[in-house]
Parts: sequence; C-alpha cells; structure tokens
Amino acid sequence: DADVTQTPRNRITKTGKRIMLECSQTKGHDRMYWYRQDPGLGLQLIYYSFDVKDINKGEISDGYSVSRQAQAKFSLSLESAIPNQTALYFCATSDGPQETQYFGPGTRLLVL
Amino acid sequence: GDSVTQMEGPVTLSEEAFLTINCTYTATGYPSLFWYVQYPGEGLQLLLKATKADDKGSNKGFEATYRKETTSFHLEKGSVQVSDSAVYFCAQRGTGGYQKVTFGIGTKLQVIP
Repeated sequence: DADVTQTPRNRITKTGKRIMLECSQTKGHDRMYWYRQDPGLGLQLIYYSFDVKDINKGEISDGYSVSRQAQAKFSLSLESAIPNQTALYFCATSDGPQETQYFGPGTRLLVL
Repeated sequence: GDSVTQMEGPVTLSEEAFLTINCTYTATGYPSLFWYVQYPGEGLQLLLKATKADDKGSNKGFEATYRKETTSFHLEKGSVQVSDSAVYFCAQRGTGGYQKVTFGIGTKLQVIP
C-alpha cells in the first residue's frame, strides 16, 4: 500500500466552487506539505505543517487554505476555485530537518 | 533568493546513450542537493542526494557530484534505458532551522529504443 495517498486523483470543477483535496500518510511523519506543479514552473509550495498545531504559508498560499486534522491527515481547500488554479497538486511528508520528502501520486485539478 | 536552474527539455536519447542533465544553484551557505524523479502518472521520488561539497550521490546507475566551486550538481548516467524516461527535478534545501526545498522546473527525458 502507498505510504502517501491523495484523494481524489482527478477532479473537474467550476469557477466559484469550493473543493477539498485530501492527503493521508502512514509513514508516521510530523511534517506535511502541499505543492502545486505547473508546466515550466516546477513545484511551488502552498502550505506546510510541522505538526497538528503548526501550519505555515508557503510561497503561493493566496486562494488556498489547509487543515491538519491529525498527524496523518492534511487537507487543502480552494474556497472559490478559479481557472488559473488548474494544476497538478502534490502532498508530501518528511521527518525532521534535512530529510527526504515523500510524495503522494498527485491530484489533477481542472477548473472550468 | 535561493534558486535552482535546469533545462526543461525534452531531452531525447537513444537507449544506451550517455546522459547529462545540468543543474546549477544559487544559495546562501551550503545547501543539501537532491535529484528527484517523476515517472508518468506518479509523484516525485528521491533519486539521490548529497549534503556537502564533493559528496557524490548515486542510485540506479545515476550519479551527481556536489561541486561548490561551480555551484553545480549535474546528473549523469552512462547508459540510459527506456525505463529511465521520466521528468527529473534538481532541488536544494538550505541549512539552519526550517529551510524549504527549492525545486528546478524539471527536465523531461525520453529514451527511445
């Protein structure tokens, strides 16, 4: 079974709708991350969390919010989706500083 | 600020050809350096890493050497296979407290039989 899972894997939504992307991990890591991947831009950090009570904005947090429901769960919400949020979204985990990041399979989001 | 520069590609090679994907970085101090690989339809996974100057990371026939003098971490493989077709991301992480990982734009490699 995968250590980092994301649901849904694909999602089509309309402008103005609220949607939630979910991430779960079984690695026991404290740190979790949400990234966005766009062609030609690489990965950009949206939010990161060091534990359930520690959530931080990344470089492109506008238009997004997150919830860390438990050590193993980290959700990303788009409060009012817009077309330029169409992208591939990745969740990742890590354990401590200077450590490797472990990525989920990604959620492909299309906003019409 | 910290950055990572790599070519976007695509890089197209014949099977058994030699591969080089260049990566250079700008950073304060001496970051840890990584290569991640993303196979079609999957998330990124660590390929190799190096944490200090002159270290060589290696895995699955791929190698990269941390060159402080040229601020580079080029990825090489002596003989590529079709199964190596993927997108390769160079990345860096700074030292001291929390330092986010900065990724390059990714280089797409296509290996043809």
